[in-house]
Amino acid sequence: GENVEQHPSTLSVQEGDSAVIKCTYSDSASNYFPWYKQELGKRPQLIIDIRSNVGEKKDQRIAVTLNKTAKHFSLHITETQPEDSAVYFCAASPTNTGTASKLTFGTGTRLQVTL
Amino acid sequence: DAGVTQSPTHLIKTRGQHVTLRCSPISGHKSVSWYQQVLGQGPQFIFQYYEKEERGRGNFPDRFSARQFPNYSSELNVNALLLGDSALYLCASSYRDRGTGELFFGEGSRLTVL
Repeated sequence: GENVEQHPSTLSVQEGDSAVIKCTYSDSASNYFPWYKQELGKRPQLIIDIRSNVGEKKDQRIAVTLNKTAKHFSLHITETQPEDSAVYFCAASPTNTGTASKLTFGTGTRLQVTL
Repeated sequence: DAGVTQSPTHLIKTRGQHVTLRCSPISGHKSVSWYQQVLGQGPQFIFQYYEKEERGRGNFPDRFSARQFPNYSSELNVNALLLGDSALYLCASSYRDRGTGELFFGEGSRLTVL
């Protein structure tokens, strides 16, 4: 089955700096890679996703890059703000196998943005 | 529109007991998935149901079961509870069973087993 590794487990940056979180996956059949943000005691919320036919996707201060050859993808947050502080999860899924909802998640990165 | 709703939000059980968790998907969503999130870890896939049929099962023992009703709501049942079953149980819905991939999560049911 799929295995997703995520690094770092904790990340502390100063407000305004950039943050980068990296994930690797093992199953070459995976072709959908979402990123979720989970604030303390809240539900995971999708912040950005990328499919395997795209190498990079950007949404304002957030971008995701995908390298299918190396089986890794990364989340980039620029101009970080205190409200970006949360736990971020990467995930992978093969969407064309009838189990599109079967996401395999990484172990999470706790991002702390300090003033 | 209401999001994914789950009940109960918190519950405490003792070892050996049974628990039923409930989920109502976003209106129009036909697929419901269940995930277990142990403290400090990422969610782990338990089940997916689409149009009342099981479409996927994760690596969980037979003590875990689920079903989906004609109105697309779902129940997750766990028998013979163990201490290790203590976790946040998340329900997620999506419109289709494949293709889009985007899941919308509920706030979860936090189960504590004593």
